[in-house]
Amino acid sequence: DAGVIQSPRHEVTEMGQEVTLRCKPISGHNSLFWYRQTMMRGLELLIYFNNNVPIDDSGMPEDRFSAKMPNASFSTLKIQPSEPRDSAVYFCASSLAGGGTGPLHFGNGTRLTVT
Amino acid sequence: DQQVKQNSPSLSVQEGRISILNCDYTNSMFDYFLWYKKYPAEGPTFLISISSIKDKNEDGRFTVFLNKSAKHLSLHIVPSQPGDSAVYFCAARYTNAGKSTFGDGTTLTVKP
Repeated sequence: DAGVIQSPRHEVTEMGQEVTLRCKPISGHNSLFWYRQTMMRGLELLIYFNNNVPIDDSGMPEDRFSAKMPNASFSTLKIQPSEPRDSAVYFCASSLAGGGTGPLHFGNGTRLTVT
Repeated sequence: DQQVKQNSPSLSVQEGRISILNCDYTNSMFDYFLWYKKYPAEGPTFLISISSIKDKNEDGRFTVFLNKSAKHLSLHIVPSQPGDSAVYFCAARYTNAGKSTFGDGTTLTVKP
């Protein structure tokens, strides 16, 4: 099992640029989550999908953030335009059947730096 | 309002001794709790969980205790090993709700 795969591992961009983060969940998992980790706010949920459908996007900070899941094996998180305060580590996680009582399986994250 | 709190940012223990990491929650609707361990430059990995119908769950060196009346849970690691040095996150959710709420984490350092 390859685990959750995120790309890129590191992204450095200038303020105002578009950033796209990518995630491949574990095969067979039908729930996908995007989390952001910062010193100030810890690990916060941005959005999650069940069966490719967004269920809760209340954590998405503002309209500059958007997430898609076009199929069961791929998701993107896009920030446009990016701002320095978006600098953080972004984690993707997947789980079985809406989470239920099973754990989340995290990728190794994308460290985003916006200058 | 932070619904899951880990009040100790760091903990240092000697190898072979017990490590106790604490977590408090405010939302009485939470009925499932998990602990994750995170090494630098990696994502969190699942360690152990407990349902609200139990007060204890054990897996090898790791035991999680749940006190529902106090809205408190703790993770015990016995004996602690240097490889246990990591950040430990407590998480809580409603069963079948999907999303988990995480605490800010506790950095455990186990000294040889």
